[in-house]
Amino acid sequence: NAGVTQTPKFQVLKTGQSMTLQCAQDMNHEYMSWYRQDPGMGLRLIHYSVGAGITDQGEVPNGYNVSRSTTEDFPLRLLSAAPSQTSVYFCASSYEGPYGYTFGSGTRLTVV
Amino acid sequence: GEDVEQSLFLSVREGDSSVINCTYTDSSSTYLYWYKQEPGAGLQLLTYIFSNMDMKQDQRLTVLLNKKDKHLSLRIADTQTGDSAIYFCAESISPKTSYDKVIFGPGTSLSVIP
Repeated sequence: NAGVTQTPKFQVLKTGQSMTLQCAQDMNHEYMSWYRQDPGMGLRLIHYSVGAGITDQGEVPNGYNVSRSTTEDFPLRLLSAAPSQTSVYFCASSYEGPYGYTFGSGTRLTVV
Repeated sequence: GEDVEQSLFLSVREGDSSVINCTYTDSSSTYLYWYKQEPGAGLQLLTYIFSNMDMKQDQRLTVLLNKKDKHLSLRIADTQTGDSAIYFCAESISPKTSYDKVIFGPGTSLSVIP
């Protein structure tokens, strides 16, 4: 099925560990974004990309890195996990224009 | 500044209409969106409205936009238990770059009582 695929669905990390959250889409969307969702705060933009090789910071980029080597993939790297990064992470993609985002099903990350 | 506000909770009886309200602050918003999030799932786009429109209807959903007051609402007619979810309002702001920045509200949790 066409859509946005995120892996893993759940992850527990120890403080200081690093990991990569994977995101892949098969709709040939130019735009891809990473959001984190925390209770009562809506979704906050971490990083985004407008095409392969082009990335930029969002609202809360500290502690995260991204790269976009292909149109399909947009991985999010946590460099040194902290308890404040406990959250649900969503990857989203879209065409350019007012078509709205297609979201993945999320990765629930707990940092202990 | 850019901010989107929503009440956090709404409870309605099955068969009644639900009205979920949203206010936004950026007058340069081009498109406004409603997304639905069911438990354990990602957000699903329900509908969107261009900022020069007043109303949009799509089956049981009616979106009303009051641009003067920066107020957006989503009305769900004949609310069903399957409509229980979190509903997010979002505004698209076109900055000077080519990327349309999207700001999400905190979400309204709709509970439908059988």
